[in-house]
Amino acid sequence: DQQVKQNSPSLSVQEGRISILNCDYTNSMFDYFLWYKKYPAEGPTFLISISSIKDKNEDGRFTVFLNKSAKHLSLHIVPSQPGDSAVYFCAASSPNSGNTPLVFGKGTRLSVIA
Amino acid sequence: DSGVTQTPKHLITATGQRVTLRCSPRSGDLSVYWYQQSLDQGLQFLIHYYNGEERAKGNILERFSAQQFPDLHSELNLSSLELGDSALYFCASSVGTGSIGANVLTFGAGSRLTVL
Repeated sequence: DQQVKQNSPSLSVQEGRISILNCDYTNSMFDYFLWYKKYPAEGPTFLISISSIKDKNEDGRFTVFLNKSAKHLSLHIVPSQPGDSAVYFCAASSPNSGNTPLVFGKGTRLSVIA
Repeated sequence: DSGVTQTPKHLITATGQRVTLRCSPRSGDLSVYWYQQSLDQGLQFLIHYYNGEERAKGNILERFSAQQFPDLHSELNLSSLELGDSALYFCASSVGTGSIGANVLTFGAGSRLTVL
């Protein structure tokens, strides 16, 4: 049972355009969501997060949107740069429900074409 | 460098063998997590330790075991290895447990295990 789903395995975007990565979740107890970025031969690195009390969080070129009713979140990267090419993982947890670990999606490989 | 150190980076072994993966958490972090990433799979949670105590178990096989030592480093032991155990094994650490900050995990570069 996959609680966090990233239905697009890959995405190609032109440099300078917007990249939109999507993530759906099924567990209504999740109340904290994170995005991680992973380059080859490296571990995932934390990118941005959002609590369920918000519907948007912005950090520079990265914005995460949360739609709780649809159990959907998205990561927007504007403008996209070639260095953004990586695998992006969506993750969720329920810290207010106790000691639960992060649950990750399978990832979306973003390719930004110059 | 994330501050989380994993050794070895690569390991090739045969079916039926036993291996130990080692992880040193980031300085000051008390929680250590182990995740497995198989081909085309996301990061699957295996086990979580906090300050030497096991706190949560995920999809960890009985052939696998882990522990966290007093100096906070952790080891993941994989025994009776099968071809399907070939994967990337990531260790991650965080400041503590039960808080929002505990959910921002810092990952090591991973140990790639190949079972032939």
